[in-house]
Amino acid sequence: GAVVSQHPSRVICKSGTSVKIECRSLDFQATTMFWYRQFPKQSLMLMATSNEGSKATYEQGVEKDKFLINHASLTLSTLTVTSAHPEDSSFYICSASVGTGELFFGEGSRLTVL
Amino acid sequence: ILNVEQSPQSLHVQEGDSTNFTCSFPSSNFYALHWYRWETAKSPEALFVMTLNGDEKKKGRISATLNTKEGYSYLYIKGSQPEDSATYLCAPYDVRFVKLTFGQGTILTVHP
Repeated sequence: GAVVSQHPSRVICKSGTSVKIECRSLDFQATTMFWYRQFPKQSLMLMATSNEGSKATYEQGVEKDKFLINHASLTLSTLTVTSAHPEDSSFYICSASVGTGELFFGEGSRLTVL
Repeated sequence: ILNVEQSPQSLHVQEGDSTNFTCSFPSSNFYALHWYRWETAKSPEALFVMTLNGDEKKKGRISATLNTKEGYSYLYIKGSQPEDSATYLCAPYDVRFVKLTFGQGTILTVHP
């Protein structure tokens, strides 16, 4: 099956700094990738849909200036959490879809903002 | 927001037991229903993508059924093994929202 790699798996940063999370499709080209966030004991919530070569589409309530998404190539999408604060601490996970409709997920990134 | 409910929230069974759990979703504007298995420290893995009412899919000891008219899907595991321990997520695709909406998942623990 298709492989999606996400990095870093864990990151701890100080409040006010920015953190970049990378999501790569290793053996296929992903024109569309999805970024999700999961709070403890809650479901995966879609944050935004990342489209190669164009602006990301953000879900209602997600601040696009806080969560910058770049999809500059067919194999790489990045999520940058800008000026991170403790309330941004969460689990972030990316996924990509191939022609079958099913999603292939990265391993996820645990962000802790001190 | 689409209301997706999975039950039970967690389940403990003994090795060899068969088990099943439920995913409920609004039946209107339905397009597809996804099931994923998420083992600890791994990526969620797709199990099934189902679209037709009455559809039944099988992968090894795991099978799923779909009722789009009443808005539910069942996931069955026959002869559970410890390696089946995982969180099982369902996600309907609704044409109004144009995205998958994930349930909270059912956490399955299979004891040797």
